Amino acid sequence: AQRVTQPEKLLSVFKGAPVELKCNYSYSGSPELFWYVQYSRQRLQLLLRHISRESIKGFTADLNKGETSFHLKKPFAQEEDSAMYYCALAGANNLFFGTGTRLTVIP
Amino acid sequence: DTAVSQTPKYLVTQMGNDKSIKCEQNLGHDTMYWYKQDSKKFLKIMFSYNNKELIINETVPNRFSPKSPDKAHLNLHINSLELGDSAVYFCASSQGGHRGEQYFGPGTRLTVT
Repeated sequence: AQRVTQPEKLLSVFKGAPVELKCNYSYSGSPELFWYVQYSRQRLQLLLRHISRESIKGFTADLNKGETSFHLKKPFAQEEDSAMYYCALAGANNLFFGTGTRLTVIP
Repeated sequence: DTAVSQTPKYLVTQMGNDKSIKCEQNLGHDTMYWYKQDSKKFLKIMFSYNNKELIINETVPNRFSPKSPDKAHLNLHINSLELGDSAVYFCASSQGGHRGEQYFGPGTRLTVT
């Protein structure tokens, strides 16, 4: 069973518009959720994780246990945000990545 | 200093050949991983090693065999390569198991012809 779902493969927004990348998960225990980002020609890197509750590059993500979601949000998209974004879940014994969402910010 | 490095960066080979990809991390992490990213950018974990011990072994063909000579290295050996093995393979490492932040290598693009 798929543990992490990113329903949008592609997402395009205009510069300055709000952006939300969706992530839903299914896990019975206490998961740890992450967002990883892959910019063009760069390696995958951690963007943020739910336990740190930080805002990185203007992005935030709140773990909603009731809706089992960990959506990534930014109020004003920038061109440099164009990248591939992966939601990931770490369970007790395994690690799952979503299928990724390619975000394109249109100038 | 490169934290997680992989060699080679590109690998083109014919079906049926055997090849290896090497990975090294200089972060002192205790856990290392291999991932496969296919042409649709789907990212899937293949193996995870913690202190040289296999922890996660997803359903991959047994033609794929990871080897960890020490905590800083995790190599991936692939026997009898098939067309479907063409992908980008990423190595990664973390501290404290898979709940730690993953540090990824630059990837190895494998093309099987």
